Amino acid sequence: DGGITQSPKYLFRKEGQNVTLSCEQNLNHDAMYWYRQDPGQGLRLIYYSQIVNDFQKGDIAEGYSVSREKKESFPLTVTSAQKNPTAFYLCASHSANSPLHFGNGTRLTVT
Amino acid sequence: GDSVTQMEGPVTLSEEAFLTINCTYTATGYPSLFWYVQYPGEGLQLLLKATKADDKGSNKGFEATYRKETTSFHLEKGSVQVSDSAVYFCALSDPPNDYKLSFGAGTTVTVRA
Repeated sequence: DGGITQSPKYLFRKEGQNVTLSCEQNLNHDAMYWYRQDPGQGLRLIYYSQIVNDFQKGDIAEGYSVSREKKESFPLTVTSAQKNPTAFYLCASHSANSPLHFGNGTRLTVT
Repeated sequence: GDSVTQMEGPVTLSEEAFLTINCTYTATGYPSLFWYVQYPGEGLQLLLKATKADDKGSNKGFEATYRKETTSFHLEKGSVQVSDSAVYFCALSDPPNDYKLSFGAGTTVTVRA
């Protein structure tokens, strides 16, 4: 079955450490996205990439970085510069004429 | 800028009750409108969508009509089940083919047997 795999499901880190969240898709989608979900705030766009080796900042990119070296993969690094990193992170992808397809998310807790 | 406002939850209903979740939007162009559903511990799934005024999206007994005159896209279901317990998000994309969606805050719905 095609889909988006986010791993791990739960991630714990100490404050001051960088952490990388994995997102892999086998849907052959061109575009990939990272959203952050906080209680009562809906989803906010962090970064997105419409083609390999290219990506753009979303609404809340500060403290995050991404890469898009392969079509299937769009890892997100949460750096120590992100002031409130504890959240639920959702990766999504789509191609022309298909709806946005989401992974099952990674819950990051930083203490 | 674009924005989506949903009715605040949580909403608690009994099985077979009627469900309405209000959603209004602000957009500069002619957006496409979506409802997504998130079951506990999972990502979001597209529930239904509408791409132009007066379109009605429907799926799994849920319906929503794109009302340009009231800038609304309210979600309705005539008879809910326990399995409909989830968080529901209204979203828009503007221009219509831009998938950088703007989401509402989400409405938590709990259906009791």
